[in-house]
Amino acid sequence: SAVISQKPSRDICQRGTSLTIQCQVDSQVTMMFWYRQQPGQSLTLIATANQGSEATYESGFVIDKFPISRPNLTFSTLTVSNMSPEDSSIYLCSTGLVNAGANVLTFGAGSRLTVL
Amino acid sequence: KQEVTQIPAALSVPEGENLVLNCSFTDSAIYNLQWFRQDPGKGLTSLLLIQSSQREQTSGRLNASLDKSSGRSTLYIAASQPGDSATYLCAVRTGGGNKLTFGTGTQLKVEL
Repeated sequence: SAVISQKPSRDICQRGTSLTIQCQVDSQVTMMFWYRQQPGQSLTLIATANQGSEATYESGFVIDKFPISRPNLTFSTLTVSNMSPEDSSIYLCSTGLVNAGANVLTFGAGSRLTVL
Repeated sequence: KQEVTQIPAALSVPEGENLVLNCSFTDSAIYNLQWFRQDPGKGLTSLLLIQSSQREQTSGRLNASLDKSSGRSTLYIAASQPGDSATYLCAVRTGGGNKLTFGTGTQLKVEL
């Protein structure tokens, strides 16, 4: 399975600033996904990032708030823009690889953001 | 809209006990169901994946079952150990693409 490196692992940010999270995969993958996990909640998909095209955002998430880059098949970034305390969450990237005909998702360790 | 529920939200058991975690989903038209464990600071680890055509999968002390028609899955952990302490999440894949809908998780603590 793929190995995903995500950074930063955690950060404390000031209200109104922006932070970019990086996700590096050790193999080429077509699709990468960004999830958010708010405190006490489960994971919610933010967007799907495909190389060579714009990211596809889920309902409730917009590109201006969460711009995503996907410059190649092993790397993606998620920016959390103009942060407020409500953005304090764990952000995780993941990718899916075909394994025995099924898509098994592998996740990075997550980036825990605290917005003051 | 798919909704995934996990019961109980938290569970504390003594070491050695067998236990069952429950997952239910509202839309039975799923492609597969996956169980993960989440450890603080370590992200998610995939434990078992069950295809919609399968009824169970086993890996070591873990056994996951799927009853698609009733919208339920269980994760059975045999002879629990303190190292099993983590949050367990189930997620279902519905429709095209790779989007997963996650449950809210069961926080398990196995005590010595």
